[in-house]
Amino acid sequence: QKEVEQNSGPLSVPEGAIASLNCTYSDRGSQSFFWYRQYSGKSPELIMSIYSNGDKEDGRFTAQLNKASQYVSLLIRDSQPSDSATYLCARRGTGFQKLVFGTGTRLLVSP
Amino acid sequence: EPEVTQTPSHQVTQMGQEVILRCVPISNHLYFYWYRQILGQKVEFLVSFYNNEISEKSEIFDDQFSVERPDGSNFTLKIRSTKLEDSAMYFCASNLNTGELFFGEGSRLTVL
Repeated sequence: QKEVEQNSGPLSVPEGAIASLNCTYSDRGSQSFFWYRQYSGKSPELIMSIYSNGDKEDGRFTAQLNKASQYVSLLIRDSQPSDSATYLCARRGTGFQKLVFGTGTRLLVSP
Repeated sequence: EPEVTQTPSHQVTQMGQEVILRCVPISNHLYFYWYRQILGQKVEFLVSFYNNEISEKSEIFDDQFSVERPDGSNFTLKIRSTKLEDSAMYFCASNLNTGELFFGEGSRLTVL
């Protein structure tokens, strides 16, 4: 079983729509979760972190965490063509510093 | 804004050669990492380094790999005898104790 699982996509949405990206994880000991954006050929760039159950909003981005269901999501409101990238979900476990990444979901926002 | 810097941005080498990838983490960070990403695949953890020693390493990080912090600023990854399958982007990252990793721009390694 993969530690962090994401649909590889592509997820296609029109400009201005809400993009919903999902992630599940297998390790119940995971404490912290992160969403990174990666443009082709570039390094991962941190978008948001979330540590507690519920929603966390930052501008157009909302992260949602449900530890009971082992599920993390990222909503992008008013999607822009510049949001087209691969979105990586990552988790960190208790006592360990490393992040474990999913394979990423490719998002395409069409004008 | 402080950032993680990596050199070289691209290195081409012959199979069997030694390669050293260099990183300057963010100055007040305490934990340092190397990750790699083979083209089209996920970002994979190689090794973490804290307090001048390896704190964790993955199965990928075998005897061909080593890390070093030779001075107060640089953090290096050495691959002793490169193989074709070592071709990848290598990312250096650092953080305090918050879990949020900050990545450098990466070093692309091509092994011929």
